Amino acid sequence: QSALTQPPSVSGAPGQKVTISCSGSISNIGAGSDVHWYQQVPGTAPKLLIFFNTNRPSGVPDRFSGSKSGTSASLAITGLQAEDEADYYCQSFDTSLSGSVFGGGTKLTVL
Amino acid sequence: EVQLLESGGGLVQAGGSLRLSCAASGFPFSSYAMNWVRQAPGKGLEWVSSLSGSRTSTTYYTDSVRGRFVISRDNSKNTLYLQMNSLRPEDTAVYYCAKDVAVVRPQYSDHWGQGALVTVSS
Repeated sequence: QSALTQPPSVSGAPGQKVTISCSGSISNIGAGSDVHWYQQVPGTAPKLLIFFNTNRPSGVPDRFSGSKSGTSASLAITGLQAEDEADYYCQSFDTSLSGSVFGGGTKLTVL
Repeated sequence: EVQLLESGGGLVQAGGSLRLSCAASGFPFSSYAMNWVRQAPGKGLEWVSSLSGSRTSTTYYTDSVRGRFVISRDNSKNTLYLQMNSLRPEDTAVYYCAKDVAVVRPQYSDHWGQGALVTVSS
């Protein structure tokens, strides 16, 4: 049972928009801890996608955006492309656990 | 260019020990916190442990490994370690070394190694 809850899977057609939710608690996201997102193509290492809730590293397309409110956060991907098919993970810091926590991951399928 | 290269993975029997190493280059290693994150076969990412940078040496562990695993670093060798003792089959995973952007309390990982596979047989 992950401290952060994500939907196991989402899907969308090319060009569409999808949103991946990340639900936390008062000991992590609700405590003010920032949320970060990673993209992982199976068989490869994770890649940083969004940091500090809304920021994109250099090289990440602006089709990817993040938001945070209350005890939850979301990752939005617009203009879906086949190359976006991957697993997506949210991550935050949990003050009760005194450590980082990941969401269970969401598999994105581009139809 | 930041590079992280893990080594030391392999097959070990339950109850045994293994030490992972992560050779870092391309950044001032001693200045940053470092993380270990694992991924069991077919499962999601799981944070394992973090070690602060600079001179603070604050350690963080997930509950399932606290008391069995020890994270350490040798700043003179730009190397991060994870000593894993009393290994269990559920520790079987690919272990990633990752550079954090923070100095003390871990924030997020901006660079990752390619991973080292640890298999614990029962």
